[in-house]
Amino acid sequence: AQSVTQPDIHITVSEGASLELRCNYSYGATPYLFWYVQSPGQGLQLLLKYFSGDTLVQGIKGFEAEFKRSQSSFNLRKPSVHWSDAAEYFCAVGRMDSSYKLIFGSGTRLLVRP
Amino acid sequence: EAQVTQNPRYLITVTGKKLTVTCSQNMNHEYMSWYRQDPGLGLRQIYYSMNVEVTDKGDVPEGYKVSRKEKRNFPLILESPSPNQTSLYFCASRGANTGELFFGEGSRLTVL
Repeated sequence: AQSVTQPDIHITVSEGASLELRCNYSYGATPYLFWYVQSPGQGLQLLLKYFSGDTLVQGIKGFEAEFKRSQSSFNLRKPSVHWSDAAEYFCAVGRMDSSYKLIFGSGTRLLVRP
Repeated sequence: EAQVTQNPRYLITVTGKKLTVTCSQNMNHEYMSWYRQDPGLGLRQIYYSMNVEVTDKGDVPEGYKVSRKEKRNFPLILESPSPNQTSLYFCASRGANTGELFFGEGSRLTVL
């Protein structure tokens, strides 16, 4: 069965420090992978996506993610975190069939220390 | 501005009282979907619609109904809400040529 695992429920980093959020997926075919961010009281905003091609993808707000097929991972990174990055982050894998269902991980809440 | 609009944003109701959460998108998207978000479970798909008059069940459809009479609207109907439907609900839409789902701001529903 398809699934997405985000092993870290909470992560706290200091402002200016680097960040890596982990995501592992289980999927039988070539995955379509996404990272979304949810700020408090807001909907989900797409940070970046991977469909094919270069395995290092750049997104908005200075985020990037690397697809590693051998590790079934799609970790999200940012070299220097800003206080405004505090939010909940969701990794998702997409089924590109008629249901177009995104299977989401349980999320990682990022806290940023001043 | 391109957006997905849900109403109401917040609702407290009682068991058994029918309610509808509306969803409207202004991007002329064919595909629309409903998700519910629960702590520790991420988002799970309730129903989806590939186009007008075409709807299908997602992973957690029990207790919900949907309709798609117009392209822009995709209401979620709870005929007889129960406390286990207390959740945060998101509507989303997608255009034909993009893989991105656009989400509404969410509707927080509490069923007492």
